[in-house]
Amino acid sequence: EDQVTQSPEALRLQEGESSSLNCSYTVSGLRGLFWYRQDPGKGPEFLFTLYSAGEEKEKERLKATLTKKESFLHITAPKPEDSATYLCAVQRGNTGFQKLVFGTGTRLLVSP
Amino acid sequence: DGGITQSPKYLFRKEGQNVTLSCEQNLNHDAMYWYRQDPGQGLRLIYYSQIVNDFQKGDIAEGYSVSREKKESFPLTVTSAQKNPTAFYLCASSDWGGGYTFGSGTRLTVV
Repeated sequence: EDQVTQSPEALRLQEGESSSLNCSYTVSGLRGLFWYRQDPGKGPEFLFTLYSAGEEKEKERLKATLTKKESFLHITAPKPEDSATYLCAVQRGNTGFQKLVFGTGTRLLVSP
Repeated sequence: DGGITQSPKYLFRKEGQNVTLSCEQNLNHDAMYWYRQDPGQGLRLIYYSQIVNDFQKGDIAEGYSVSREKKESFPLTVTSAQKNPTAFYLCASSDWGGGYTFGSGTRLTVV
């Protein structure tokens, strides 16, 4: 069964204090790994898709990386507006429809 | 702007009542999905539809029903058979094999 485990469950940072969020996964052939940001009471907002080990993508203060077993979301010099829950999801590479399997998320709080 | 619209934002259900959550998309996506989100749990798939007039059960379909009569619309009915319906419901859509675009969600509460 496909599984996604995110750690830590919650993370509190001071503004400017860089850190990383972890997403460990087990999946039968990976089609893609997805990162989303979710603000309280809102739907998840797409951040990145990673397809193969060694791939990296960046957006402002966020950088996502992928290995064969895990993905990291690096946050450089975070600001209070980066506070949100970050969700990771994987999709199998089999033919036909393959659902996204989500982790439970990491709640990030950045204090001024 | 293209996107997904969910309504209402908040919904209250009495015991034994069926309620319907609306989901409309103008992204021209073929696939649409309904997820349920509970505190401390990952998103769980209720139903999905890959094309018009066809839909499949997800992991937690019991007590729910859907229809897909138009490409743009995928309403979810929470029936009285769903014993614990209080949750945050998310609708999403995607192109084939692509990432999902989510709506803003509907929070359902049993009163």
